[in-house]
Amino acid sequence: DGGITQSPKYLFRKEGQNVTLSCEQNLNHDAMYWYRQDPGQGLRLIYYSQIVNDFQKGDIAEGYSVSREKKESFPLTVTSAQKNPTAFYLCASSLARTGGLAEAFFGQGTRLTVV
Amino acid sequence: DQQVKQNSPSLSVQEGRISILNCDYTNSMFDYFLWYKKYPAEGPTFLISISSIKDKNEDGRFTVFLNKSAKHLSLHIVPSQPGDSAVYFCAASESGGGADGLTFGKGTHLIIQP
Repeated sequence: DGGITQSPKYLFRKEGQNVTLSCEQNLNHDAMYWYRQDPGQGLRLIYYSQIVNDFQKGDIAEGYSVSREKKESFPLTVTSAQKNPTAFYLCASSLARTGGLAEAFFGQGTRLTVV
Repeated sequence: DQQVKQNSPSLSVQEGRISILNCDYTNSMFDYFLWYKKYPAEGPTFLISISSIKDKNEDGRFTVFLNKSAKHLSLHIVPSQPGDSAVYFCAASESGGGADGLTFGKGTHLIIQP
């Protein structure tokens, strides 16, 4: 079945540690994204990538890093520099800017808690 | 500054009646609009979209209306069903949905009462 998979679903991290969230898709989508959701907030874009080996900062990129070595994979690292890392993180993918298609497919999310 | 606004954090509607969720935007470059539905602890799922060249798009019980002059769109759900209880996010994009992400509103929690 085609889809987008995030792992793990729940993640606990000690303050001062880096942690990497996994995102894999087998939809053959060119574009992949990371969003963050906080209570009472909309989804905010952290990073996005339109093509392998290329990615762009979103609205709240500080304290995060990404890589796009393969089309299928777009891992997000939450570094110790991120001041408020506790949040629900969502990965998404979509076809790139062709034909006006913008419906992004989302993973099930990773709940990161800093303890 | 919020470019996409959903001013109602929650909305309660009786089962079988019409649910109307509203969304306003400020960026006149937005030309593609989407609605997503989200259950707790899950990723959002795409519901319906509309391009700025249209003013209405319908898919089963869901209809989205776009008023470009007012920079306003709305999602109508008729009839409302218990499974419709969820958070609904309005999202917008420039240039027909380019791959630089979507701008989301804060969401409206729709509660369908029996």
